[in-house]
Amino acid sequence: AQSVAQPEDQVNVAEGNPLTVKCTYSVSGNPYLFWYVQYPNRGLQFLLKYITGDNLVKGSYGFEAEFNKSQTSFHLKKPSALVSDSALYFCAVRGNTGRRALTFGSGTRLQVQP
Amino acid sequence: EPEVTQTPSHQVTQMGQEVILRCVPISNHLYFYWYRQILGQKVEFLVSFYNNEISEKSEIFDDQFSVERPDGSNFTLKIRSTKLEDSAMYFCASGGEGSEQYFGPGTRLTVT
Repeated sequence: AQSVAQPEDQVNVAEGNPLTVKCTYSVSGNPYLFWYVQYPNRGLQFLLKYITGDNLVKGSYGFEAEFNKSQTSFHLKKPSALVSDSALYFCAVRGNTGRRALTFGSGTRLQVQP
Repeated sequence: EPEVTQTPSHQVTQMGQEVILRCVPISNHLYFYWYRQILGQKVEFLVSFYNNEISEKSEIFDDQFSVERPDGSNFTLKIRSTKLEDSAMYFCASGGEGSEQYFGPGTRLTVT
């Protein structure tokens, strides 16, 4: 069975500082990893994905994520946080078999203070 | 930019009633999904649909649930006889040949 852990319910960071939102995963075979963001009263918005290749992947709005196979982690990062980045962030995983169902983490609320 | 749309945004129904949640996926996508999120809990996979049939389903997706793509554009989720525990936000998603899924804004279902 596949699973995702997001160990922090909330991350607080000051505007302009770097941010990290943590994610670890468990899946059979090679992972397909995703980050989604959810703003209030909105759906899940795709940010970025890792399938294969370079361990550092870049996505929308200046976000990037680093895949670490040995630590089974896929942490979301941004060099300089904006107040508008405040939202709920979800990490998701699926295996590289024919199954496409995503398994989500419990979400991390990012609060960026001005 | 194309997006997934869902109607209604909020549905209130009485226990035992049937509900149909509607989605319009992105037009050239081939894979369609339903997920749900009970308040305060994780987003959970319900079902995926490809080539006019269910390709995967979770344990949650029991005989009370069904999906349909009636006209080549809409994708619906029917709950035959709603229970209190069906109250949740239901998200539709669609995807092309790439691996990412694009989600709609959700339908909040409240069963009273």
